[in-house]
Formats: sequence, structure tokens, C-alpha cells
Amino acid sequence: GENVEQHPSTLSVQEGDSAVIKCTYSDSASNYFPWYKQELGKGPQLIIDIRSNVGEKKDQRIAVTLNKTAKHFSLHITETQPEDSAVYFCAASMYTSYDKVIFGPGTSLSVIP
Amino acid sequence: NAGVTQTPKFRVLKTGQSMTLLCAQDMNHEYMYWYRQDPGMGLRLIHYSVGEGTTAKGEVPDGYNVSRLKKQNFLLGLESAAPSQTSVYFCASSYTGSDQPQHFGDGTRLSIL
Repeated sequence: GENVEQHPSTLSVQEGDSAVIKCTYSDSASNYFPWYKQELGKGPQLIIDIRSNVGEKKDQRIAVTLNKTAKHFSLHITETQPEDSAVYFCAASMYTSYDKVIFGPGTSLSVIP
Repeated sequence: NAGVTQTPKFRVLKTGQSMTLLCAQDMNHEYMYWYRQDPGMGLRLIHYSVGEGTTAKGEVPDGYNVSRLKKQNFLLGLESAAPSQTSVYFCASSYTGSDQPQHFGDGTRLSIL
């Protein structure tokens, strides 16, 4: 069945360094790829998303890239800050299928001051 | 706006007991979802609804029932709780289907003894 792999499962970086989280999806029909940030005790919150007709999207210190041929997409966080520490989830879905939102297992990011 | 509100936040049940988790959204969203989150497994869809009066099964529906009698509310029921249902449950809503960001509540932490 459909699957989304996410690596690494844990990531520790020094404040000010960059962090990269990579996801691979299995269903080539997937066309919407959101990224969510989950802080301790809270629900996931969308931080950025990308659609299949775009290769890259940036929002201040956060960027996402998509390689449809290889079926993988990545989250890039530059100039990391302690408040970036959280669990990050990638997801892949299809416009035409309401229940086909598949989440990756998550990456726990720690930013060390 | 409160967004998505889940009640209760915490609950401990004994095996065989029943309970209902409540989800309310004030964003006039058509679509609502129930997920469970277990360590290392990301978010898995239990049931979802594409509009008032409609519900459908997700990836892991066994042991759960849902109802969407009003557009703003989505209820998740456990008829006979089992220890395997110990998890954190998240409700989410979106304006349209899987090509739109989902807005999550802060979760219900449920323990079945």
C-alpha cells in the first residue's frame, strides 16, 4: 500500500546551523505534500506545503523541495533557533482521494543553544 | 476563533468501558478527520467525514464508530475499550479534501487499563 518514509528519526543541530529532513513516498499519483510541526502537548500545525507542479517553495527560513521523478521531498530549515525544536511530520496526499493523506513517522529535531 | 477543540484532554478507562471523544470546529470546514498517534508510527486515519451526515472508514477503523450530525461537530466513539486503543487521538478539519492543509486540535490522551 501507500507509504511515506521519513529520515532521520532524530536530528540534533547547533543553533544557527541548518537542518534537513527527507521524505520518500510510494504512490506516484500523490500531488500535495504538506509539512507539519508538532510541539510537545500540541497538535500538528502546518508550516509549509508544496504541490506537484512546483519544484521548490520558500517561506523565510523554511524551504521545501520536491523531486517527482525520484518521489522524494525535503524540508530545509536554515539558521535554526531553539524554538524550532519539535517533531516534524511530512505527508503525501492526492487531490482526488479524501482519505489518502499518508503521514511519515516523524523527525524529532533538537536545536542546541 | 478557537479553531479545533477536543474534549476531554485526558481520560483513563478500564477495559470494556465505552466513551465518546468530542471534536468541534468553528471554521465552517466541510471535512473532518479522526487520527490516532502512536510512537514511531506517525498519524493514522481512523474515520473521516466529507460533510454533515456523512462518514467513511480510514486506515484503522476497527473498534471505533463516528457520527457527524452537525457540520461543526465530529464524534468518535469507543464501544468497548481495549488496551490496544491506548493512544493520543487527534481531530482535524479542512476546508475541502486532501489537497488542503488540515487544522488539528491539541489531542485527547487516552489510556485503557
